[in-house]
Amino acid sequence: AQKVTQAQTEISVVEKEDVTLDCVYETRDTTYYLFWYKQPPSGELVFLIRRNSFDEQNEISGRYSWNFQKSTSSFNFTITASQVVDSAVYFCALSEMIYSGGGADGLTFGKGTHLIIQP
Amino acid sequence: DAGVIQSPRHEVTEMGQEVTLRCKPISGHDYLFWYRQTMMRGLELLIYFNNNVPIDDSGMPEDRFSAKMPNASFSTLKIQPSEPRDSAVYFCASSRGKSTEAFFGQGTRLTVV
Repeated sequence: AQKVTQAQTEISVVEKEDVTLDCVYETRDTTYYLFWYKQPPSGELVFLIRRNSFDEQNEISGRYSWNFQKSTSSFNFTITASQVVDSAVYFCALSEMIYSGGGADGLTFGKGTHLIIQP
Repeated sequence: DAGVIQSPRHEVTEMGQEVTLRCKPISGHDYLFWYRQTMMRGLELLIYFNNNVPIDDSGMPEDRFSAKMPNASFSTLKIQPSEPRDSAVYFCASSRGKSTEAFFGQGTRLTVV
């Protein structure tokens, strides 16, 4: 069965530091999708990125970047020059394709990493 | 475009009462998901629909939970009777396809006393 592990329960850094959130996944599928979501203190879940298993190119969006490595089954998320507004819980998630019967079984989430950016 | 809309945002009820949570997905999205978030178990999928048809309800904790989607723009999650251990944040999400990103509502925080 699929599994997502976010080993870092909580990370605290000072504003402007770079921070990397780790995500390791397990899947039997060769076709799958990886996601990152942000949950700010207000509670909603905000979609950040989706990556399919055939695209290992790193992605950069402003201060955010993602490093996908199939060899280590990891999909890590880096925030450069962190800001207080980045404080939130960040979830990594996985969606399988083939073993899910060709349909979406929804997202399997990690437990989340609570990121605290101190001013 | 309006996002996924859930109501109510907060619900406090007494044990044994029936609770109904509501969700309006994003127009044009074919998939609708109900998730539950607790400190102990994190985010877990309860049930999902494709084109209003329930596809997988294996995540529904027990028979006290039921979900319906009578049309493409409305879904309900009902708990009857409610118990204190049902206290959690319940999220509804919708997506355009099976491999696309899901967009979440703001959640319903349920407290059963």
